[in-house]
Amino acid sequence: AQSVTQPDIHITVSEGASLELRCNYSYGATPYLFWYVQSPGQGLQLLLKYFSGDTLVQGIKGFEAEFKRSQSSFNLRKPSVHWSDAAEYFCAVGENNNDMRFGAGTRLTVKP
Amino acid sequence: EPEVTQTPSHQVTQMGQEVILRCVPISNHLYFYWYRQILGQKVEFLVSFYNNEISEKSEIFDDQFSVERPDGSNFTLKIRSTKLEDSAMYFCASRPMGGNTEAFFGQGTRLTVV
Repeated sequence: AQSVTQPDIHITVSEGASLELRCNYSYGATPYLFWYVQSPGQGLQLLLKYFSGDTLVQGIKGFEAEFKRSQSSFNLRKPSVHWSDAAEYFCAVGENNNDMRFGAGTRLTVKP
Repeated sequence: EPEVTQTPSHQVTQMGQEVILRCVPISNHLYFYWYRQILGQKVEFLVSFYNNEISEKSEIFDDQFSVERPDGSNFTLKIRSTKLEDSAMYFCASRPMGGNTEAFFGQGTRLTVV
């Protein structure tokens, strides 16, 4: 069964600094991979997705993620964080893009 | 832009009561899902629904839960006899046909069981 691990429960970065949120998955075949963002009291917004093809995917709000099969990782990156990026970030993996399994989430705090 | 709509946004119910959470998926979508998120915890898969039947469900989705698509637009989650531990945010999602498509999530219904 597929599973997702987000090793960092909470990350704090300064505004303008770069960001990398880690995600590792466990799945036998090529998974469908997603990053969602959740602001307090809000629903889940898709940042980006990987289905196949180019392993570096671009998303909304300046985010990107890289699929590395050898490391079973799909880390999310942003070169310069804005205060409005403070939120909870969830990595998710899907089998045949059916039901998704979510990681535990990483809470991002942005310092002024 | 089309979106998944969930009602109500917040539901308070007494333990043992039945609740129905409602969702209107995006109109041309064919796959429907319910997820829940207990406060401060991760998002957990409950059930997926396709072609008028459950296609997969998790161990959380026991006999107290049921889903229904009563008409062409609504997708409901029923909890027969609520427990305190059912308190959570419940998210509905839908997805169109096709492998390379993502699910779109509603804003969620916060269920509080007292």
